[in-house]
Amino acid sequence: DIQMTQSPSSLSAYVGDRVTITCRASEDIRKNLNWYRQSPGRAPKVLINDASNLETGVPPRFSGSGSGTEFTFTISSLQPEDIGTYFCQQYDNLPPTFGGGSKVQIK
Amino acid sequence: QVQLVQSGAEVKKPGASVKVSCKASGYSFTSYYMHWVRQAPGRGLEWMGLINPLGTIARYSQNFQGRFTTTSDTLATTVYMEMRSLTSDDTAIYYCVRGGVRVIPGALDYWGQGTLVTVSS
Repeated sequence: DIQMTQSPSSLSAYVGDRVTITCRASEDIRKNLNWYRQSPGRAPKVLINDASNLETGVPPRFSGSGSGTEFTFTISSLQPEDIGTYFCQQYDNLPPTFGGGSKVQIK
Repeated sequence: QVQLVQSGAEVKKPGASVKVSCKASGYSFTSYYMHWVRQAPGRGLEWMGLINPLGTIARYSQNFQGRFTTTSDTLATTVYMEMRSLTSDDTAIYYCVRGGVRVIPGALDYWGQGTLVTVSS
């Protein structure tokens, strides 16, 4: 199975700060990566597909980049509603595998 | 709008089985694969398996060693998952999730509300 390693596992930032999360794959997954946010008590919601494509309705302060084994997820200006846990997920091969999550909190 | 509505919470004893349903609506049920993902308390997300809506193709994670089965009822637009020989490690929220039109899922774009399965003696 392809292993997905996310960092940091948690972070705390001020409203308006730029936040960056990284995800590393154990092998080349091309651009076959999605990013999700799980708000407290809710199911995950996909924000970005194919490493860098914003899902319909997702605010443009969210972005993704990368290919191969290194990927980055960025919130350009953190907002209070952005709190939650963010997960990366590869779909280059079965089984789809998820990163361990990055919990984002507001200072 | 697309909706996936799952059955309610379950409490089971070790060694028992559990069956969870996922009723789909708001889209062409026969066009999209359905996946199952679980999340143990305070833990990450674990993919369990998938089924095509006609029920002719299923793939399972090796982590469940044959204990997990998913089925589909096209007339009822409902997908089911069954887990057998439950242990306390199976205590988790189980989600049905809509995938893509192929086995390789792409984005998992719609999630059910989740079903909490608690395994306790």
